[in-house]
Amino acid sequence: DVKVTQSSRYLVKRTGEKVFLECVQDMDHENMFWYRQDPGLGLRLIYFSYDVKMKEKGDIPEGYSVSREKKERFSLILESASTNQTSMYLCASEKGGRGTEAFFGQGTRLTVV
Amino acid sequence: GENVEQHPSTLSVQEGDSAVIKCTYSDSASNYFPWYKQELGKGPQLIIDIRSNVGEKKDQRIAVTLNKTAKHFSLHITETQPEDSAVYFCAAFDQTGANNLFFGTGTRLTVIP
Repeated sequence: DVKVTQSSRYLVKRTGEKVFLECVQDMDHENMFWYRQDPGLGLRLIYFSYDVKMKEKGDIPEGYSVSREKKERFSLILESASTNQTSMYLCASEKGGRGTEAFFGQGTRLTVV
Repeated sequence: GENVEQHPSTLSVQEGDSAVIKCTYSDSASNYFPWYKQELGKGPQLIIDIRSNVGEKKDQRIAVTLNKTAKHFSLHITETQPEDSAVYFCAAFDQTGANNLFFGTGTRLTVIP
């Protein structure tokens, strides 16, 4: 089974802190994604990556950055956390190519106080 | 880019009844339409998908229909069971250059025993 693992289930951070959310997948997938999930808004794409050291902005990249130094690991960085970044964050990976199944991690619920 | 609308946002049915969730999309180039189920405390998981060269696909109690002319697709769950209670997301794959999924806003399905 494909496994996508997010490093934390719950995080509480203070406003202004730099926050790292880590995601690791074990199936050698090319594509990795970070989504944000909020009630009534569904899943919104923050950043994605098709290859090591490659990144592309999604629909809501402001206030975030990402890092992909190794194929299996994709990190989301909140440079200076703000209360409006309190949300559920979901990482996903895909094998690549046109229209393939996305595998999601269990999510990280981040609260910024 | 693609815009996916999903209705209803919440749906309650009696156990054994059918449930229908509807989505519309805007980009006629989209050709892959997956449905994801998110159980409490977990990440979304693919339950069924359909490609634009077919109009209907079934997998046991779950079926998806696609009308490319009208740009809408629907999820049908028959003989609902309490374990069907979850949030369901539709998605459309955009072929116009951005290799990622566009998600609907989700439907919270509650099956009442």
